[in-house]
Parts: sequence; structure tokens; C-alpha cells
Amino acid sequence: QYVLTQTPSVSAAPGQTGTISCSGDSFNIGKNFVSWYQQIPGTAPKLLIYENNKRPSGIPDRFSGSKSGTSATLGITGLQTGDEADYYCGTWDDSLSSWVFGDGTKLTVL
Amino acid sequence: EVQLEESGGGLVQPGESLRLSCVASGFTFSDHKMDWVRQAPGKGLEWVARSRDKGSDYSTEYAASVKGRFTISRDDSKSSLYLQMDSLKAEDTAMYYCVRKHHGMDVWGQGTTVTVSS
Repeated sequence: QYVLTQTPSVSAAPGQTGTISCSGDSFNIGKNFVSWYQQIPGTAPKLLIYENNKRPSGIPDRFSGSKSGTSATLGITGLQTGDEADYYCGTWDDSLSSWVFGDGTKLTVL
Repeated sequence: EVQLEESGGGLVQPGESLRLSCVASGFTFSDHKMDWVRQAPGKGLEWVARSRDKGSDYSTEYAASVKGRFTISRDDSKSSLYLQMDSLKAEDTAMYYCVRKHHGMDVWGQGTTVTVSS
């Protein structure tokens, strides 16, 4: 059902680096900007990265984004317990004429 | 402060209708694309619909799952976005978020809950 595929879960220790991948195709990630969202349970999602690799004001530089071909990656350095959340990638899909989200990645900071 | 506030959620029976509203404040509503995004209990995010701004002739787009049943609209004079939901199904049960689409989906409301159940 989900057009974009993410790793279901990622675990890492505090202080380490976490990497979350998002895979699509030539109609979505291959053609359009990717954005990333953090959702702490019980709260609304928050924009972390837009236009593949840009951070909104207030988002620390521990969060970074990149895109290559039909895949995108979110990196988080210096992991903190407060980073535990669900993370979603998203982009426009030209073939569907709709916005698509990834199926989400649960990040656990052990 | 930039804010979005949704209202209109509730419990309805299958086949019934509901209209969600979203009031924006702190920014020039008419300049922005606006979306509805939903999240079923325990599930991921699902984009529902988009309303583009006057510069794009107020064009709209819908997810396949709601096309023909839901209608997105806006009233720039009231800084408000709406979602008319008809022929509701159990699978429409979700938290519905009003979202500003600027650089990414950069502003989210707190959501309003829609439950479709007999």
C-alpha cells in the first residue's frame, strides 16, 4: 500500500549515529524533493528536513538528509533519548498525482 | 505565532457525512498550499488531499482512497480550510491533521479525531 519503503525499525545507543533509509522510484523520489518528519507518540508530526537536505529553523544540525537516485536517507548524529520517535519520508508522486509517505521507521535509542 | 486549529471531528455511522474545519493564524493563508493528512490508530501517515493557492487556480488533488467521497475547499477571507467527507467508511477512522505545505509540510495542527462506527 505504501509507495515509499522504509526500514521498519532502527536501534542505536545514545551518542551514536542512526540512519534511516527511504526507497521509491523514478516517479516520486527520482523526480521530486524529499522531506522527513519526526513524530513522537501522541503528538503531531514535525518537519525535520525539506528539499532533500535543508533544515527548517530550529532543527539542530545533528539531523541531515541526502538523496541519490530513487532513495533518500535521514541521518541523526549524537543520538539522544529524546530522538526516540517514528520517522517518515515523503514526496510527490508524479504518476499518482498525489503526495506519498513512507511506511515509517521506529527509532529506539537504547 | 503560526498556528493551525482543526475542529469538526466526531463519531459518525458508516455512510454518513462530516465536515472538518481548520483555521489558520500567524501567516498569510492565501499564499499557501494546504493539505489534509490522516493517521489511523496505530498506523502511519496517509496524505488525503491538497488545496493549492490562487496562483495555481485553487486546484485540488486527492488520494485514490478518498477521491469522489471527500472534497477539500478553502475560504481565504476566513483563513480557513475545509474537508467535506461523504459516504464515510470504517477505514476513514483516523486523526485528521491540517497541514501547511510550504518548504515541506512545515506547519501541522494538533488534529481532530474522526471515528466511523455503527
